[in-house]
Amino acid sequence: DQQVKQNSPSLSVQEGRISILNCDYTNSMFDYFLWYKKYPAEGPTFLISISSIKDKNEDGRFTVFLNKSAKHLSLHIVPSQPGDSAVYFCAARGPTGGYNKLIFGAGTRLAVHP
Amino acid sequence: DTAVSQTPKYLVTQMGNDKSIKCEQNLGHDTMYWYKQDSKKFLKIMFSYNNKELIINETVPNRFSPKSPDKAHLNLHINSLELGDSAVYFCASRGSGASPDTQYFGPGTRLTVL
Repeated sequence: DQQVKQNSPSLSVQEGRISILNCDYTNSMFDYFLWYKKYPAEGPTFLISISSIKDKNEDGRFTVFLNKSAKHLSLHIVPSQPGDSAVYFCAARGPTGGYNKLIFGAGTRLAVHP
Repeated sequence: DTAVSQTPKYLVTQMGNDKSIKCEQNLGHDTMYWYKQDSKKFLKIMFSYNNKELIINETVPNRFSPKSPDKAHLNLHINSLELGDSAVYFCASRGSGASPDTQYFGPGTRLTVL
């Protein structure tokens, strides 16, 4: 039972344009959401997060939007750069909270080309 | 200076063998995790320890036994390895500072069971 879904396995964007990565979740008890970025042969690295009490969080070129009614979040990267090419994982903090059980989506592979 | 390190990076072994993967973090974090990334690329939590105490134990076969000799180390021992154990295993740690929900991942250990 996939509680966190990233329905687009891949995305190709031109350098300088906006990249929009999407994530849907099913459990309304999730209270915290995170995006991780992963390069090949490396572990995921934290990118940006958002609490369920907010609808937007911005950090430089990265902005995460949360639509609780639609159980949907998205990551916007603008402008996109070739170094952004990686796999992006969406994660939600489990409803048990406390010890931070993160539930991950399957990831979206972003390719930024010149 | 690596924050979360894992050894070995690659592990190739025969079915039925017993193997261990080691994890160390130098971030001073209290909580550590083991995740498995399967062939479908999902990152799924297996175990979590907080100050050497087991706090999360997902539905994982008894052949998998985590051991935390101190809060900076969380090792994973696997008995009687099976073909289905082939995956990438990630260790992670989490602190209790300003961003308590951020988990920091190691580079992963790619386990191949022949």
